[in-house]
Amino acid sequence: DTEVTQTPKHLVMGMTNKKSLKCEQHMGHRAMYWYKQKAKKPPELMFVYSYEKLSINESVPSRFSPECPNSSLLNLHLHALQPEDSALYLCASSLAGEITGELFFGEGSRLTVL
Amino acid sequence: KQEVTQIPAALSVPEGENLVLNCSFTDSAIYNLQWFRQDPGKGLTSLLLIQSSQREQTSGRLNASLDKSSGRSTLYIAASQPGDSATYLCAVGGLQGGSEKLVFGKGMKLTVNP
Repeated sequence: DTEVTQTPKHLVMGMTNKKSLKCEQHMGHRAMYWYKQKAKKPPELMFVYSYEKLSINESVPSRFSPECPNSSLLNLHLHALQPEDSALYLCASSLAGEITGELFFGEGSRLTVL
Repeated sequence: KQEVTQIPAALSVPEGENLVLNCSFTDSAIYNLQWFRQDPGKGLTSLLLIQSSQREQTSGRLNASLDKSSGRSTLYIAASQPGDSATYLCAVGGLQGGSEKLVFGKGMKLTVNP
């Protein structure tokens, strides 16, 4: 099973809403990632968790709050977002501790902020 | 700061042609290089991963090569098919904060015409 599952596939929210994106993998990977991708642009790294600890935060605004409750799950909590935060949010995972590990991506959650 | 370039940004070819997609990067101190495919509105599918110590990898009709010293990688697609139409992204893996960080090129949109 080389699958990374993201829910929901589509999310529409207002600027005052609180919502969460979820990501799950059962490949035994211990590194999990959130990327943001705007239309016709490459993915940009937001956060990396390694062994359930936050190891990289690419200076992401605090209205995005990541959480890694266990080695299989990764959440991204959203609050007070702006319309410019509308994008495809991609989750990925890899074998932590192996810098040469292959990243596997989910299908993404398409977020629209009204 | 690592920069990854893919030229051209788009390519349209008739079915059956052999293709070469180019990727260049500015910092040769990489751990790996990964080629991805992305269909419109979808997530990223890993095609090939080349470790920094390797020169090439093959999977079916795909062959990727890596020349670290010159900062270049190529993805060769043999006997292209309409189903190969997608955006192809090159990503270079490096180390940051003890975790792997991928830096993506802007991608190359391939259209294979029947």
